[in-house]
Amino acid sequence: DAKTTQPPSMDCAEGRAANLPCNHSTISGNEYVYWYRQIHSQGPQYIIHGLKNNETNEMASLIITEDRKSSTLILPHATLRDTAVYYCIVRVATVQGAQKLVFGQGTRLTINP
Amino acid sequence: NAGVMQNPRHLVRRRGQEARLRCSPMKGHSHVYWYRQLPEEGLKFMVYLQKENIIDESGMPKERFSAEFPKEGPSILRIQQVVRGDSAAYFCASSTSSYEQYFGPGTRLTVT
Repeated sequence: DAKTTQPPSMDCAEGRAANLPCNHSTISGNEYVYWYRQIHSQGPQYIIHGLKNNETNEMASLIITEDRKSSTLILPHATLRDTAVYYCIVRVATVQGAQKLVFGQGTRLTINP
Repeated sequence: NAGVMQNPRHLVRRRGQEARLRCSPMKGHSHVYWYRQLPEEGLKFMVYLQKENIIDESGMPKERFSAEFPKEGPSILRIQQVVRGDSAAYFCASSTSSYEQYFGPGTRLTVT
């Protein structure tokens, strides 16, 4: 699986959009970009994933550059409960079943009141 | 639809004892993964199982650790003769044949 690079920490004001970048310059054509987050010591929470098109769900938006070498997770209106470590993960997903997730260090996002 | 269940949530064992961690996947999920998170570190993959089969155990320590996912019942992660270095949070995740893995709340193992 391709390696990802994320800033170790970021701050964002409550109510503003939080934009979390991720570089994955060695991504292959069949690899997806996934985002998970871990709030305090809870189990990681799936947020969103995409292949090459931008994606949006009730939690966030995922913007993937045209060359697929980087992506940005957008939390449109951050709240204090969005304070967490955010992980960007790149991996191949097969129809036989999803494979293991390889977690890096992630970005520690702090939402400030 | 209940989420992934793990029990116990907290487990204390003395050095040399056995630890058994249980994971009940979400309904309809036949893929189970175990991850370990040492204090102040990221999550590390341990093992991936489907019903009655171990698919990938590349992250499992070679000794004392074993995992199973029987046809009936929860998946079990077993650690024999625990040592202090086994103290960690152990997370289970499950999935269908789709792409997302859903995580349980974890079991926090403390070895004294």
